[in-house]
Amino acid sequence: DAKTTQPNSMESNEEEPVHLPCNHSTISGTDYIHWYRQLPSQGPEYVIHGLTSNVNNRMASLAIAEDRKSSTLILHRATLRDAAVYYCILRVYQTGANNLFFGTGTRLTVIP
Amino acid sequence: DGGITQSPKYLFRKEGQNVTLSCEQNLNHDAMYWYRQDPGQGLRLIYYSQIVNDFQKGDIAEGYSVSREKKESFPLTVTSAQKNPTAFYLCASRQDSYNEQFFGPGTRLTVL
Repeated sequence: DAKTTQPNSMESNEEEPVHLPCNHSTISGTDYIHWYRQLPSQGPEYVIHGLTSNVNNRMASLAIAEDRKSSTLILHRATLRDAAVYYCILRVYQTGANNLFFGTGTRLTVIP
Repeated sequence: DGGITQSPKYLFRKEGQNVTLSCEQNLNHDAMYWYRQDPGQGLRLIYYSQIVNDFQKGDIAEGYSVSREKKESFPLTVTSAQKNPTAFYLCASRQDSYNEQFFGPGTRLTVL
């Protein structure tokens, strides 16, 4: 299975930017990089995804290294509602299915 | 409102009993998924279905069964053969031509 490596936990002060790193050294050319986040006792929520180029949306930015072996999710101004577990996931195309392989994620704590 | 519903939120069963978890979506999505999450862990794929009357095993299908008789419904049965069924179960769906998976609120199953 395609795997990602993330720090177990990170802290950020409220209203400051947060950079959440992810390593995926075994990524193949067709694997997309996805980020989801999960609040306690809720289902995960899609954040952003990309293939090669950096991506921006209303929630976050995704910076992808040139060799694609690592990426960084950037929250531009952390709020208390951003406290969650963030999962960096590789979407692997297998026999027509676009399945996601979740790791243990990074637990982000936002300090008021 | 469009979305995914899972019921009930909490479910208790005695050991040895089969139990069926419901998952309904009104997003007109083709693909549906079932995941299991244990405390402090990421999600693991149990089963997925890309189309009505077709489904595939995920990474941890043993002790589980599914059906996909209707596009909007993908129930999961946890059988007595599942050795450690107590967990948080999440259902998701995806529109075939898009990347994002939408998750339901989850069902927390406790087997006594």
